[in-house]
Amino acid sequence: SQELEQSPQSLIVQEGKNLTINCTSSKTLYGLYWYKQKYGEGLIFLMMLQKGGEEKSHEKITAKLDEKKQQSSLHITASQPSHAGIYLCGADPLQGAQKLVFGQGTRLTINP
Amino acid sequence: DGGITQSPKYLFRKEGQNVTLSCEQNLNHDAMYWYRQDPGQGLRLIYYSQIVNDFQKGDIAEGYSVSREKKESFPLTVTSAQKNPTAFYLCASITQGAVGELFFGEGSRLTVL
Repeated sequence: SQELEQSPQSLIVQEGKNLTINCTSSKTLYGLYWYKQKYGEGLIFLMMLQKGGEEKSHEKITAKLDEKKQQSSLHITASQPSHAGIYLCGADPLQGAQKLVFGQGTRLTINP
Repeated sequence: DGGITQSPKYLFRKEGQNVTLSCEQNLNHDAMYWYRQDPGQGLRLIYYSQIVNDFQKGDIAEGYSVSREKKESFPLTVTSAQKNPTAFYLCASITQGAVGELFFGEGSRLTVL
C-alpha cells in the first residue's frame, strides 16, 4: 500500500520567514494533493499536482512535484499568521478512485 | 451556499453505547467518504460510497457502520465494538469521476468517557 511521509512533523517559524514542508511517497504518485487544516476543523484544498516536474503557486504558497513523482514540497514565502495550521499531503493510489491516503501532517506555528 | 454539514461538532458517549454522526451535502456529489483523524496521524479511511445504496470498507472499518439511502446523506455509526472510538471524524465528498479536490465537512469530535 502507498504511504506518505511528511517532514518535519512540526515547524515553528518567525513571521516573515520562508519555510518548506516535504512529502515523500513509497510509490509513484499519480496525483498529489495539498490540504490545509485549521485546528479542530475540516480540510481545505490548496493544490493538486499530477505531472513530474510540475509546479503551482497560489499567493505565497508554491508546491512542486519532482520529476520521478515520488516527492513533493510545499514552500511558503514570507510567512504570515494566517498560514498557521496543519498541512497534509494526500495521494490517490488507485489513480482516479479518489480514495486518498494522507501523510501524518505538518503542524505549522508562526510566531509574531 | 453549497457545502458539507457534519453534526454534532462535539459528542460525548459512555462506553458500550452506539453513536451516529451525521453528514449531509448539498453539492450534488456522488461519492462520499468518512475519515478518522488521531493526534499526530494523518486521515485514515473508514468507509466510502460512490453511489446510493452502495458502500465499501476502507482501511479501518471494524467497529463502524454506514448507510447511503440518499445521495446527500452518509451517516456513520460508531458501535460499541470499536475499541478506541475517541477521535476526530471527517466527512468528505466529490463528484464521481472528478479528479481534484475533496470537499470536507468541519468534523465531529467524539469523546468516549
